[in-house]
Amino acid sequence: EAGVAQSPRYKIIEKRQSVAFWCNPISGHATLYWYQQILGQGPKLLIQFQNNGVVDDSQLPKDRFSAERLKGVDSTLKIQPAKLEDSAVYLCASSLTRQETQYFGPGTRLLVL
Amino acid sequence: GQQLNQSPQSMFIQEGEDVSMNCTSSSIFNTWLWYKQDPGEGPVLLIALYKAGELTSNGRLTAQFGITRKDSFLNISASIPSDVGIYFCAGFNQAGTALIFGKGTTLSVSS
Repeated sequence: EAGVAQSPRYKIIEKRQSVAFWCNPISGHATLYWYQQILGQGPKLLIQFQNNGVVDDSQLPKDRFSAERLKGVDSTLKIQPAKLEDSAVYLCASSLTRQETQYFGPGTRLLVL
Repeated sequence: GQQLNQSPQSMFIQEGEDVSMNCTSSSIFNTWLWYKQDPGEGPVLLIALYKAGELTSNGRLTAQFGITRKDSFLNISASIPSDVGIYFCAGFNQAGTALIFGKGTTLSVSS
């Protein structure tokens, strides 16, 4: 069974630029999550989708971050414009349902200069 | 908000030694999860605990759900070099909709 795929794996941008990350969850998984992991911290949930609907985006900085999962499968997370403090690993995870085990992708490492 | 406090922050041990790490909170959690994260990878679930007092093993790993539901520990016996990584505890928030992670315990094993 293929795992959660993410791309790109690494991205370096300058502040005020825009960036987008892509996630392909495990086939059949209805729930998809985006986490932000700052160096030395545990992952922090940004947004959670159930199929193509948003379940929880309470910790998403909506002035600059946006995410979508249009067809209930792939998802993209965008930052516009980026700030220095957005430097982090962005992890995507998926699960069969909200109560099932979450499987994480390898993450996208973002450096904002 | 709910927080998970992990200790120690880091550990340096010799191959073959046993390791113990724990996770505490001022809030009650109904589920405790232990994840391991290797460098450059996402976290992988090691053990899930669902009942207070539960003791669960996965190979050389053993984890317990504290009776008060405010703590959990993870033990690794006879450590090997591939045990190197960051170990996170996690639990669901009060609404049961989102995972909250601790800051992790970084384990280094020398052979």
